Amino acid sequence: RKEVEQDPGPFNVPEGATVAFNCTYSNSASQSFFWYRQDCRKEPKLLMSVYSSGNEDGRFTAQLNRASQYISLLIRDSKLSDSATYLCVVNLGSTGRRALTFGSGTRLQVQP
Amino acid sequence: NAGVTQTPKFQVLKTGQSMTLQCAQDMNHEYMSWYRQDPGMGLRLIHYSVGAGITDQGEVPNGYNVSRSTTEDFPLRLLSAAPSQTSVYFCASSRAGTVYGYTFGSGTRLTVV
Repeated sequence: RKEVEQDPGPFNVPEGATVAFNCTYSNSASQSFFWYRQDCRKEPKLLMSVYSSGNEDGRFTAQLNRASQYISLLIRDSKLSDSATYLCVVNLGSTGRRALTFGSGTRLQVQP
Repeated sequence: NAGVTQTPKFQVLKTGQSMTLQCAQDMNHEYMSWYRQDPGMGLRLIHYSVGAGITDQGEVPNGYNVSRSTTEDFPLRLLSAAPSQTSVYFCASSRAGTVYGYTFGSGTRLTVV
């Protein structure tokens, strides 16, 4: 079983749609959680951290469910510019040393 | 403020050659990491460092060495290049603490023939 699992997609949605991605992680001692965005042939860029109480940044909402060990990302009112691969990222360490583990990514294509 | 700078951007090596991928950050970040990204595999951690003089292995360390003599620099050395090391390599850095995400460099595309 992979340590961080995501549905690879692709998710093809029309502009203005709401789309949600889920991600599961295997280590219950995981400490921190993030969503990154990666455009084709570019480096990953931090989209948002994920907090236990859930957090929102504009059209993006992230949720964490520690009991079920999954993280979600909701994108409302999708834009063409949201087309990218979204990476779920988890710090699986429990010793305080920071090393992130990435999911393989979910590809989103927003259609006009 | 340049962020994380990786050099070179592209490199072709012959099997058996060695080389060093350079990574430098100017944000005074304590943590630095090297990842490789292969199609369908996602990013995999090679080595990481939580401060000058401290390094540790990640998921796929074989064939690579690192050192961290300064806070700013974290070079990755390929000891004897193999075709299996053909990949895109990303360096990343972060402030200490679990709430901070990493900032990535723009990557080095390496081909081993």
